[in-house]
Amino acid sequence: QVQLVESGGGLVKPGGSLRLSCAASGFIFDDHFMSWVRQAPGKGLEWVSYIVSGGSDMYYADSVKGRFLISRDNAKNALYLHMKNLRAEDSAVYFCARLSGSGSFSYFHFDSWGQGALVTVSS
Amino acid sequence: QSALSQPASVSGSPGQSITFSCTGTSSDIGTYNYVSWYQQHPGKVPKLMIYDVNERPSGVSNRFSGSKSGNTASLTISGLQAEDEADYYCSAYTITSTLIFGGGTRLTVL
Repeated sequence: QVQLVESGGGLVKPGGSLRLSCAASGFIFDDHFMSWVRQAPGKGLEWVSYIVSGGSDMYYADSVKGRFLISRDNAKNALYLHMKNLRAEDSAVYFCARLSGSGSFSYFHFDSWGQGALVTVSS
Repeated sequence: QSALSQPASVSGSPGQSITFSCTGTSSDIGTYNYVSWYQQHPGKVPKLMIYDVNERPSGVSNRFSGSKSGNTASLTISGLQAEDEADYYCSAYTITSTLIFGGGTRLTVL
């Protein structure tokens, strides 16, 4: 079965950096676009970023553009989110999510989710 | 990248049908059929309920259905049950190749 396990969350000071990881298993990783979605405490879902299956193209929400970088290592079945210049408003649970589709095509819905990693930005 | 617009809350009684709206623009819902809906119970991971406007993943009850008209998508739950009480989010693909969620609707089953 599909498994997505996030790690790397924690407490970081404003202006600091953090890298989240997502270990994927149970499916052909390099056949899927992958994404990060976050949810601030008591708030709704917010799409953060996605990366195409081969890793050549990445897309970001305006709120994180220029500060976050999504990457993947298909040999390791791993997805990453490199976050820098963190702000208090970046505090959230970050979910790793699989986008449906195959190869170079996606149907752009999230068909599997990890349990999430909590990131807290506070001094 | 403004969020899709969803009512903050709706309520219904068991057995009733209820419809959630999700309003976007011609830059997202109005252009693509990549509209999906997610159910999230408190403290739980979101669950895909509807994709491509009106398709149901295997295992999702046929009480859940979706539709779209212009820039607005809708999710209908028929035969409301207590277990349906949750937050519901819509999502769409946009003309800038990004994704967007709605603010979410909290469903209360009376």
